[in-house]
Amino acid sequence: DAEITQSPRHKITETGRQVTLACHQTWNHNNMFWYRQDLGHGLRLIHYSYGVQDTNKGEVSDGYSVSRSNTEDLPLTLESAASSQTSVYFCASSESTAGSSYNEQFFGPGTRLTVL
Amino acid sequence: GQNIDQPTEMTATEGAIVQINCTYQTSGFNGLFWYQQHAGEAPTFLSYNVLDGLEEKGRFSSFLSRSKGYSYLLLKELQMKDSASYLCAVRDRGSNYQLIWGAGTKLIIKP
Repeated sequence: DAEITQSPRHKITETGRQVTLACHQTWNHNNMFWYRQDLGHGLRLIHYSYGVQDTNKGEVSDGYSVSRSNTEDLPLTLESAASSQTSVYFCASSESTAGSSYNEQFFGPGTRLTVL
Repeated sequence: GQNIDQPTEMTATEGAIVQINCTYQTSGFNGLFWYQQHAGEAPTFLSYNVLDGLEEKGRFSSFLSRSKGYSYLLLKELQMKDSASYLCAVRDRGSNYQLIWGAGTKLIIKP
């Protein structure tokens, strides 16, 4: 069965360190997304990609970067981790949006990141 | 600006019916989604509305009024497993067709 996985599931790091969170999907979806989820906030979009070599900034992209070298993977890098980046991170994927097709997003299990 | 509002928390009784409301303001409405999220888990898709009216899926129904910027999710015959957060999200043309998410409504089901 197709799926979307994230690793690690839990990570504790120190302020200033570089951290990379992995996201891998076997749906063969063109669209991939990274969100963060914090108490009292809705899911907030960090970066997204509509296909290989395509990346776009979301609402809260400062301090984060992504790269898309193949269809299956969209790793998220925190260049220099800050305590404000302590959060739960979700990766998602969907088929290409065409016209009014709804193309639901499928979410990975999440990564809980703590920055000390 | 863009804004999605939902109640923070609701309580209902097993076997009853509950309605979770969502109001929104966006620059280019292009569809509304409802997701369910159990504690510690990923969101999962429940329903989608792009035209006015009611969409029914078993015990769950979702309604949309575009003129009022309003949607609701109706859950019937509540079961304990329906205890979860329910997230409303609007796809917005003004945000490059990305989803704008509400903070979610935590639904507590009591026996």
